[in-house]
Order: sequence, then structure tokens, then C-alpha cells
Amino acid sequence: NAGVTQTPKFQVLKTGQSMTLQCAQDMNHEYMSWYRQDPGMGLRLIHYSVGAGITDQGEVPNGYNVSRSTTEDFPLRLLSAAPSQTSVYFCASRQDLGRNEQFFGPGTRLTVL
Amino acid sequence: GEDVEQSLFLSVREGDSSVINCTYTDSSSTYLYWYKQEPGAGLQLLTYIFSNMDMKQDQRLTVLLNKKDKHLSLRIADTQTGDSAIYFCAEIANGYALNFGKGTSLLVTP
Repeated sequence: NAGVTQTPKFQVLKTGQSMTLQCAQDMNHEYMSWYRQDPGMGLRLIHYSVGAGITDQGEVPNGYNVSRSTTEDFPLRLLSAAPSQTSVYFCASRQDLGRNEQFFGPGTRLTVL
Repeated sequence: GEDVEQSLFLSVREGDSSVINCTYTDSSSTYLYWYKQEPGAGLQLLTYIFSNMDMKQDQRLTVLLNKKDKHLSLRIADTQTGDSAIYFCAEIANGYALNFGKGTSLLVTP
């Protein structure tokens, strides 16, 4: 199993550009989520999904969209990038509520100029 | 959401014990977690404790849980330089997501 994979690893955008951060897992996990990590702020939840076709907002959803058309993929879309979205983005998955481990991807480092 | 609180920095000497403290917010959290993040890497689950336990030991790691005070601690025995990293405490939020603290940077000096 590859676990949780994220692409790209690094990205530089100009203000106003759009892009999609990809996340995939091959563990057949129902639950997937996106976090952003900023210095001194820890990890903050952006969006999450409890299964294909079901998504919900986390703590900091503004400026981001998600969809979950398959169990494996959970892309994060930045509609119009802003410098405040400069961050490291982590995707995570877990099997279900009864399972205790949440697996994290390696992260995408995004810079918005 | 409400904040999971952790001290930001801890410095210990190699061979000493490290204790990282955390105060969480949701008394209904079923699991509480400790994650480790090394520079430039993602988060790695170190250990977890189920809410009906007071203590869990896993090799050099000891987790203590005080549900009354909503206090969680991670003790690392015989701390090594390879233990230098950021440690995150996390609780289950809304039944699905993890609510993380801001992380404690542990520096182990020779």
C-alpha cells in the first residue's frame, strides 16, 4: 500500500490563480480530511469527508472547495489563491470511528505571491 | 473550535526524561493522541489512549490521562537526540476530525 499520497509537493501561485491539490489513499478508508499547518497555529481542519459523496466544512473552510466522487480521492481546490493561503497542506485518512489511527500524507507546501 | 493547549517549547538533556503536557477541551473524546512531526515531514502517530484508561505505556513512552482535569501528558524516558521534533496532542472533534494543539517543540541537547 502506498498509504496517503499528495501531489504536488511544492507549488507557487500568483494571487488570483486557481489550482487543485490532489490527495489519494489506497487503504479503502471512509474518512478523509484536509488540514493546513501554519507556524504557531498547529493544524487546522479545512474540510472533511465521511464517505464518497459526503463532505463537510471544518474550522477554516473559506476559499477552499472539496469533492469526494470516489472513496480513494479527495481533492482540495483553491478557487482564487490569496497570500493568506500560503501554508503547508496535509491530507489524512482513517478507516472509521472505531479505528484509532489517522494516516497523514507527506504534505504540499504552497506559496501564494 | 476551542483550543487544545500545549506549551510551545521544551528543552531537555540527552538521557533525561521529557514530559509534554496538554489540556484538551472535549470531555466526550473517545481517543486522545500524540503525534510526532520531524522537520519537513508529515505527522506520525506516536501513541494514543482510550478515554477509559488512566495510563498507557509503550516502550519509552508513557501517556497519562486525567479526565477530571482534561489533562494529558506524554513522558519520553531516556530522551535521545532523535526525539527532537514537534509533538502534537489531539482529541476527536465532532466524532470524526482531530482537533490539534499548536504543538510542543522538543529540543534534546547532548
